[in-house]
Amino acid sequence: KNQVEQSPQSLIILEGKNCTLQCNYTVSPFSNLRWYKQDTGRGPVSLTIMTFSENTKSNGRYTATLDADTKQSSLHITASQLSDSASYICVVSAISGTYKYIFGTGTRLKVLA
Amino acid sequence: SQTIHQWPATLVQPVGSPLSLECTVEGTSNPNLYWYRQAAGRGLQLLFYSVGIGQISSEVPQNLSASRPQDRQFILSSKKLLLSDSGFYLCAWSIQGPYEQYFGPGTRLTVT
Repeated sequence: KNQVEQSPQSLIILEGKNCTLQCNYTVSPFSNLRWYKQDTGRGPVSLTIMTFSENTKSNGRYTATLDADTKQSSLHITASQLSDSASYICVVSAISGTYKYIFGTGTRLKVLA
Repeated sequence: SQTIHQWPATLVQPVGSPLSLECTVEGTSNPNLYWYRQAAGRGLQLLFYSVGIGQISSEVPQNLSASRPQDRQFILSSKKLLLSDSGFYLCAWSIQGPYEQYFGPGTRLTVT
């Protein structure tokens, strides 16, 4: 069964600290993996997208890694800011279907001053 | 550049009333279109997707329906709303293929 699991479910950190969010998946055949940021009451916005051959990709203070062998991805946030408070969603798509986007339930991050 | 619009932004409807949510995309042609629902504190659930005008696929059986009367217009409807239909409804588009999805601002629906 295609699944995407994220951990932790929620996380509270102090402004300026780093944090790492995890995503494990059992999607096959794998096409690509995306990380989205969703502010409360808004639509998700893409942070990174990685294909099978990519191990790491950065977008400013956000760095995503992908280990296709262990089927794990992480999103590292450096020097967190109050505006990083949001839900972070991992989405994996399968090659066999254009419409096979499997969503994780997200990690809710809160950054405190 | 491409943009995606959804309206209304918020909606409060009584149980048993009809529903119509609209989504339009600008700046692209022949996009894949999607409707998702997100319950409070939960992940996104795919409701419908469309690869072209009049072509609708349903992922979850329910009292909702979708239509695509024009290439860049996607409508979510219901004849009679249930309490369980409350949630945050998101429309998204992508180019053909398993590529990145772009989400609209969402509609917050509360069924009372």
